[in-house]
Amino acid sequence: KAGVTQTPRYLIKTRGQQVTLSCSPISGHRSVSWYQQTPGQGLQFLFEYFSETQRNKGNFPGRFSGRQFSNSRSEMNVSTLELGDSALYLCASSNALRVDTDTQYFGPGTRLTVL
Amino acid sequence: AQKVTQAQTEISVVEKEDVTLDCVYETRDTTYYLFWYKQPPSGELVFLIRRNSFDEQNEISGRYSWNFQKSTSSFNFTITASQVVDSAVYFCALSDTGGFKTIFGAGTRLFVKA
Repeated sequence: KAGVTQTPRYLIKTRGQQVTLSCSPISGHRSVSWYQQTPGQGLQFLFEYFSETQRNKGNFPGRFSGRQFSNSRSEMNVSTLELGDSALYLCASSNALRVDTDTQYFGPGTRLTVL
Repeated sequence: AQKVTQAQTEISVVEKEDVTLDCVYETRDTTYYLFWYKQPPSGELVFLIRRNSFDEQNEISGRYSWNFQKSTSSFNFTITASQVVDSAVYFCALSDTGGFKTIFGAGTRLFVKA
């Protein structure tokens, strides 16, 4: 079974641009979560999608948005990039409805550098 | 608000030593879930264990063991007879019942020297 895939793996953008990151969950998984990992703030929850609906949202500005398609693939978008958005963006997928019975599987991440 | 604190930033041990990683959490929920993840140098987070708030039974799995104590809001993780391959960053995490909104600690970087 293929794992969680994220594309692209590396990305360099300049301030003010926008970026779209993609995540393909494990086949059959319906929940996709996104996290931002930086040396200063650590791992922070961005949002979670389940069956094309945003189920949870972290404390990030509106420049960060996401969506999930009917095949469970998810994209996250960051508009008007700032230097502080440089980070490793991790995607995780899971199968069930309940966090007490399921496991999140993480992808390798997309390393975004904003210049 | 939920919070996870891992006070140990880095730990360095020699192979075959036992090492315990500390985790203290805060939550007002009565039902919650605690996790440990491992992030090796490759970057992918690997799930190690999940515990729910009603299950304080400690567990041993091979060289790994976990100690969950609600009275002190702690969920510590011990590696027995550490190996070089255990070198990684270990994250303690907390989630409520409303899906995978997981709050992570800052992580503890473990170095195991041969």
